[in-house]
Amino acid sequence: DTGVSQDPRHKITKRGQNVTFRCDPISEHNRLYWYRQTLGQGPEFLTYFQNEAQLEKSRLLSDRFSAERPKGSFSTLEIQRTEQGDSAMYLCASRPQGGDNYGYTFGSGTRLTVV
Amino acid sequence: KQEVTQIPAALSVPEGENLVLNCSFTDSAIYNLQWFRQDPGKGLTSLLLIQSSQREQTSGRLNASLDKSSGRSTLYIAASQPGDSATYLCAVTYNQGGKLIFGQGTELSVKP
Repeated sequence: DTGVSQDPRHKITKRGQNVTFRCDPISEHNRLYWYRQTLGQGPEFLTYFQNEAQLEKSRLLSDRFSAERPKGSFSTLEIQRTEQGDSAMYLCASRPQGGDNYGYTFGSGTRLTVV
Repeated sequence: KQEVTQIPAALSVPEGENLVLNCSFTDSAIYNLQWFRQDPGKGLTSLLLIQSSQREQTSGRLNASLDKSSGRSTLYIAASQPGDSATYLCAVTYNQGGKLIFGQGTELSVKP
């Protein structure tokens, strides 16, 4: 296991199209997080899973956004009817439960450009 | 509102200098604080994690301190190198397993 994997690395889409991103966390990590980062800003929290349960969603996650984590393994983030304002880096992170001494491990991100 | 602020937004130093990056947070009841490094167009690499009960953590040329009561943390980089050029992000959590709240980052450039 080499870390948190995200796919694709880059995605260019036309406004109005749907896109889906995938995140594969470190296998023994039961907590998985999605963040969004725009240019020159720090990442902003979107949502968080513990195993397959989605425990928290940010107000940033509008009705056009949906995230899943079937069977508590990989996760997908779908954006429907994309808008130019959705252009950003989407980052996934994972962490083991009870791992107070462990930080968060981030993936390399998916860069979304909506044209 | 729980916010994190990093000063300065950008910093340029000659190689070999020691430098300090600052992070402040509005709600001092943090669970822990973490410093990350981000290279352009890449994900985040964890540098140091400080629990709320700790005062500092060290890793190589990096030292992070935490003053929870005043809502501040500093990241000290000794003998800076061009390879240290990156954006440094500070983030806090308020409960175990909770979401990270990030500052906007400090973009560091170390000139040879």
